[in-house]
Amino acid sequence: QQQVRQSSQSLTVWEGETAILNCSYENSAFDYFPWYQQFPGEGPALLIAIRSVSDKKEDGRFTIFFNKREKNLSLHIKDSQPGDSATYFCAASANTGYQNFYFGKGTSLTVIP
Amino acid sequence: NSKVIQTPRYLVKGQGQKAKMRCIPEKGHPVVFWYQQNKNNEFKFLINFQNQEVLQQIDMTEKRFSAECPSNSPCSLEIQSSEAGDSALYLCASSQGNTGQLYFGEGSKLTVL
Repeated sequence: QQQVRQSSQSLTVWEGETAILNCSYENSAFDYFPWYQQFPGEGPALLIAIRSVSDKKEDGRFTIFFNKREKNLSLHIKDSQPGDSATYFCAASANTGYQNFYFGKGTSLTVIP
Repeated sequence: NSKVIQTPRYLVKGQGQKAKMRCIPEKGHPVVFWYQQNKNNEFKFLINFQNQEVLQQIDMTEKRFSAECPSNSPCSLEIQSSEAGDSALYLCASSQGNTGQLYFGEGSKLTVL
């Protein structure tokens, strides 16, 4: 059973639009949710993260909206740029900081100029 | 730029050969994780350490896979007898532990011919 699911394998938006990437999870014990950005040939880079006590986390053009009751979250990328074209992974952990992280299969975002 | 250093970036092995990858975690991070990312972008947790001690590992690693994080030396992941299905990107990540933030290296891409 997949613990973390990303609803879209790929997403295409125009430059300047808001890209919305969705994620859901199974385990109610998960309380820490990072998003990672990965470019081809590189390792994943931590983009932004939220803890389950919050329902929103914003960092520049990136915002996470979190719904604990529904066990889902979304990453909004405002004013998308071609340089944002990458694969985005949602992850989850029962945050002791020592536990295994579970990853979704990623959403490949393409931003068209 | 990643502060988790992985070497080598690429390795090519024949079936049955040993494959060894190394990782220097970010300074001050006592927790180290190894993940396997396959061509479908799926992350598979392999093992994690706190300092030199194994915290968690999957069954697979107890057979052909071995890993260690000796003090004052890089961590390593070794596959004793490589199989075609082992071809993947092997990612090392480190964490302070209590914050839960996980930082990845660029990965070691293994190709088993």
